[in-house]
This record gives sequence, structure tokens and C-alpha cells, in this order.
Amino acid sequence: EAEVAQSPRYKITEKSQAVAFWCDPISGHATLYWYRQILGQGPELLVQFQDESVVDDSQLPKDRFSAERLKGVDSTLKIQPAELGDSAMYLCASSSDRGYEQYFGPGTRLTVT
Amino acid sequence: SQQGEEDPQALSIQEGENATMNCSYKTSINNLQWYRQNSGRGLVHLILIRSNEREKHSGRLRVTLDTSKKSSSLLITASRAADTASYFCATDAVGSGGTSYGKLTFGQGTILTVHP
Repeated sequence: EAEVAQSPRYKITEKSQAVAFWCDPISGHATLYWYRQILGQGPELLVQFQDESVVDDSQLPKDRFSAERLKGVDSTLKIQPAELGDSAMYLCASSSDRGYEQYFGPGTRLTVT
Repeated sequence: SQQGEEDPQALSIQEGENATMNCSYKTSINNLQWYRQNSGRGLVHLILIRSNEREKHSGRLRVTLDTSKKSSSLLITASRAADTASYFCATDAVGSGGTSYGKLTFGQGTILTVHP
């Protein structure tokens, strides 16, 4: 069964450092999402791609976060510089199109010290 | 921001019992989805119910949707210890022109514990 791949699974970094997360969606899925999940809460959308275009990045802190999906396939989310408050689980999901069920990867647990 | 509110926040039951979780939301929706998350893992899609549907079944899961009350419920029948997880509802709000943006807004979740 096809799965969404994410790496790394765990990342510990010091504040003010740069960190990057990678996501490979299910083959053929046009829509890709990055979520942030703080412990004890539901996921919150950071950015949504339709193919290589950003559809929604209204909740992305653009002064420090950036995301790209250059060829409309895999995607990278970057934080520079990292802050203590960025400690969270970062989840990637994909769907065949907007309005359909989403398939999530295992997530990257980020700890900023 | 979180649109949905789930109730209860935590639920503890014995194996074999039924578990019911409720979700309320605020805006008009295209569909509502339920997901399960085991501790420290990614989310798994359980069921999607569209705004023109009132009830949907999948195995031991039954989901209802009342758009007039802006609420949904998830029923898990004959629960098992393996059902222990957090359960989230997520809404796909109606966009301009009645279309779907595909942007899901998640609730805070219900933590379900099923004791063997």
C-alpha cells in the first residue's frame, strides 16, 4: 500500500539554527499539505500545495518558515531560525485532489533547545 | 485556529463497550472527516461524510452528520484495546462558489482508552 514518506522522523536542534523537513507524497497525488501539531492539540495547516503552486499559506509564519514543491512531487519545509516555540510534530499529508481524504505521513518530531 | 470542538476530551471504556464521540463546528462544510492518531504517530483517515449525507457506516464505525445543528458523532461499536487512540474530526469548509479548498480544520480531539 502506498504511503507518504517523511524524513527525518526526529530532529533536535538548537534555537537560531536552520532545520529542514522532507516529504514524498503518494504517487499521483496533486495536493500536498504541511501541518504543525502541538502536543495535546489537533493539527493546524501551515501550507497547502496544488501541484507546484501554493494554494494556502495564510498560517505559515513567513518570516522564518518557507516551503517549496518545485516539480509538483516531493516537498521541503524549512525553518530558519528555529525558535523554542517551534517544538512540535510536523506532519505531511497528500490527497488525490482537494476535498478528498488525506493520507498522512508518520511526521517529524522537532525539539528546539 | 481550531473550528471543531470535540466532546468528551477523554473517554475510558472496557473492551466490548461502545464509544461515542461528538464534534461541533461553526461554518458551512463540504464534508466532515474523522481521523485516528495513535500516540506519536501520523493520522489515519477513518471516514468521510459529505454535507448531503446524514449517516455513514464503515465496519464497526458509524458516523452521523446534522448540518442544521453543525454537529457530527462517531460511534465505535464493540470496542477493542487496539482502538485506543486519539480521534479527531476535521471539516472541509465551503469556499467561494460553493467549492472545496480541501483545507481541513481539525478539532482538539478525543482521547479514547479501551481497557482489556
